[in-house]
Order: sequence, then structure tokens, then C-alpha cells
Amino acid sequence: KNEVEQSPQNLTAQEGEFITINCSYSVGISALHWLQQHPGGGIVSLFMLSSGKKKHGRLIATINIQEKHSSLHITASHPRDSAVYICAAHGGATNKLIFGTGTLLAVQP
Amino acid sequence: ETGVTQSPTHLIKTRGQQVTLRCSSQSGHNTVSWYQQALGQGPQFIFQYYREEENGRGNFPPRFSGLQFPNYSSELNVNALELDDSALYLCASSSDSNYGYTFGSGTRLTVV
Repeated sequence: KNEVEQSPQNLTAQEGEFITINCSYSVGISALHWLQQHPGGGIVSLFMLSSGKKKHGRLIATINIQEKHSSLHITASHPRDSAVYICAAHGGATNKLIFGTGTLLAVQP
Repeated sequence: ETGVTQSPTHLIKTRGQQVTLRCSSQSGHNTVSWYQQALGQGPQFIFQYYREEENGRGNFPPRFSGLQFPNYSSELNVNALELDDSALYLCASSSDSNYGYTFGSGTRLTVV
């Protein structure tokens, strides 16, 4: 079992739909990151969370420390949101990021 | 503030050769982490450098080595390249004062 797991692995949505991607982790963390990666491209940091909720434009990230669970929501999805979304746990003891396997999102017009 | 720059962006090497990849850290960051991302997989931690010293290493053989310089930029060296070393190599800089990471765009290495 991976220390950081995401679901779903693949997601296809129609433009305008509300999207949720989930992340569960089994390790103690200092912070949790949500990252975006376009095909063949580098990684862009979307959010870093240690508690509660953050919002940036159409993106919302939440984290429940007790349940060791985080979600990334995209409102009014758009084809340009199509990318791989990765959650990564910052393990405080190891001072490194532990990555989930990613969720491949395709938003169709 | 500047971001993280990696060079080169693409590279083709022959099996058995050696390669050096470079990464500049974001201004104010003193830590650089390197990751290997094989096609279709998530990034795997190679190692981290903090103030010019190795500060943690993943499950990679000794032919993967690194350096960090006084300006906190970093190099990843891979000796005796193997076909399986073909991947996107990502570096990320961070600071010991918070947990924010800034990623570079990566170097796409192809070993033939």
C-alpha cells in the first residue's frame, strides 16, 4: 500500500462540471501539497496545506488532519484544466515529499 | 523573485555515458531536492541537499550523485547510464523556514 493514495486515477469531465480529486495518506505530515503537471511538462505547485481550506480562483483544497484526507475541487471546469493532479505529503521527519500516483483529468468541451 | 531553472531541457545520451543536470534554486531557498519521474509514473525522490550537504537519499544507486553550491544551485550527476534512467528529472527548491516547494520544468533525459 502506497503511503499517499489518490482517487480516481483517471477522470473525464464535461466543461463546466464540478470536479473532486481525493488524496489519503498514512504517514505523519507537516504539510500536504497539490501539484499540477501538464503532459510532458514540469510541475506547478497549486496549494500547500497544513489545515483547513484554501481557495485560488476556481480551485479549492481542503484537508482533514484527523482523517488524513485531502481533496482538490475544481469549479466550472475548463479544457485548460486538463492535466495530471498530484498530491504530495511533506513528511516532517524525513523532510521529503512523498508523491501520490496522480489523477489524470481530461475536461472535454 | 526568480523561480527554479533547470538545464538542459532535453538531453539524449548513450548507454554507459555520464550526464550532469543543473538546477538553480529560487531566491531565498537553501534546499534542493531531486526527483526522477518515469513515463506515466509519479516522481521518485532521489536525494536532497541542504546547505551544500546531502540531507536524505531515496532508493537510488551510488552512480546517482549530487552537489550543492554556495549559491544553493545544484547538480545531479549520473554515471554509467542505463536505458532505465530515461525519465524526466525534476528539481525543487525549498526553505527550511517553511514547507513550500518551487519546482523546475524538468530535464527530459533519453538514454539510447
